[in-house]
Amino acid sequence: DVKVTQSSRYLVKRTGEKVFLECVQDMDHENMFWYRQDPGLGLRLIYFSYDVKMKEKGDIPEGYSVSREKKERFSLILESASTNQTSMYLCASKSFLPGELFFGEGSRLTVL
Amino acid sequence: AQSVTQLGSHVSVSEGALVLLRCNYSSSVPPYLFWYVQYPNQGLQLLLKYTTGATLVKGINGFEAEFKKSETSFHLTKPSAHMSDAAEYFCAVTGGSNYKLTFGKGTLLTVNP
Repeated sequence: DVKVTQSSRYLVKRTGEKVFLECVQDMDHENMFWYRQDPGLGLRLIYFSYDVKMKEKGDIPEGYSVSREKKERFSLILESASTNQTSMYLCASKSFLPGELFFGEGSRLTVL
Repeated sequence: AQSVTQLGSHVSVSEGALVLLRCNYSSSVPPYLFWYVQYPNQGLQLLLKYTTGATLVKGINGFEAEFKKSETSFHLTKPSAHMSDAAEYFCAVTGGSNYKLTFGKGTLLTVNP
């Protein structure tokens, strides 16, 4: 089975702190994604990567950056956390089409 | 461009009743369509998917969905709800070589005893 592992299930950070969310997949997938999930808004794509060192902005990239130095690892970085970034963050990976995503368990971030 | 509309943010059914969760999509190319389920404090799990071929797709836990191109719909059904079906359900679409899945806003299913 595909496994997508997110390093932290729950984090509490203070405004202005730098936050790293790590994601690792074990199926040699080319594509990896970071989504943000908020009540009533569904899942919104922050960034995705289709290859090592390659990245593209999603629908809501402001305030975030990403890093993909190795194929299996995709990191989401909040350079200076703000309270409006309190949310559930979901990492996902997939191979080529037909496009099924495999999700991690999620990281619930609270920014105080 | 692609989009998904899930009709009804909250659906409540009695145990044993029919479950019907509605999803309409738009896509400029032939779509691939998905239903995911999310249990509390967990990630999303694939229920079923339509890519090509048979338009009636069966998934896990007794769910199925039918792709209707003329109606641009992909509604999710289950003949008899079980308490364990209580969760949030997301419909998603992707098209062609597009890397991205676009998700609906989700429908929370409540099952009453």
